[in-house]
Amino acid sequence: ELKVEQNPLFLSMQEGKNYTIYCNYSTTSDRLYWYRQDPGKSLESLFVLLSNGAVKQEGRLMASLDTKARLSTLHITAAVHDLSATYFCAVDMAGGGADGLTFGKGTHLIIQP
Amino acid sequence: EAQVTQNPRYLITVTGKKLTVTCSQNMNHEYMSWYRQDPGLGLRQIYYSMNVEVTDKGDVPEGYKVSRKEKRNFPLILESPSPNQTSLYFCASSRLVGWQTGGWRNSPLHFGNGTRLTVT
Repeated sequence: ELKVEQNPLFLSMQEGKNYTIYCNYSTTSDRLYWYRQDPGKSLESLFVLLSNGAVKQEGRLMASLDTKARLSTLHITAAVHDLSATYFCAVDMAGGGADGLTFGKGTHLIIQP
Repeated sequence: EAQVTQNPRYLITVTGKKLTVTCSQNMNHEYMSWYRQDPGLGLRQIYYSMNVEVTDKGDVPEGYKVSRKEKRNFPLILESPSPNQTSLYFCASSRLVGWQTGGWRNSPLHFGNGTRLTVT
């Protein structure tokens, strides 16, 4: 059974600071997604990471994937209030076919002015 | 505009009264899926479908039914709702982007706006 663990689950930080959210998964995977969810809203796709060493960046967010360590990180640089949201990683198990993603529990991020 | 549309957005019902939550996508996606989101548990997959008339169970299918008679629609049916099905439900869709060892792979999921269901 594929398990996906995110940490931290809750994070309160100040604007201007840097921080990293971690996503560990338990079995081999070659495809990892990051999603953002604003309060009361749906999920929005941020990044798709398709191979070992993949790095994607958008604005103040950067995601990376280490398939050997079964670890993805979402790094926030010089945080701003607008990045307050819940962030989910989701893993597509290698060889598992399109039977859906396994999601982490989410990291609830609050960025304070 | 490309979108996944769920209805209703909010629903309060009583135990045992059958209900259907509709989901429709306008992107011609092959793949559709239902998730429920509960505090502290993240998103868990209920059912998914890889094409018309092809459906399969996810992680938490008990108490739910689905059908995929048309490509664009994927309704979620609760025949006899119970209070433990109170949750936030999301429908999602994606393309199937290619065959790799073990099966088809997805493009990123497009999610609907969610249906908040309360069963009393």
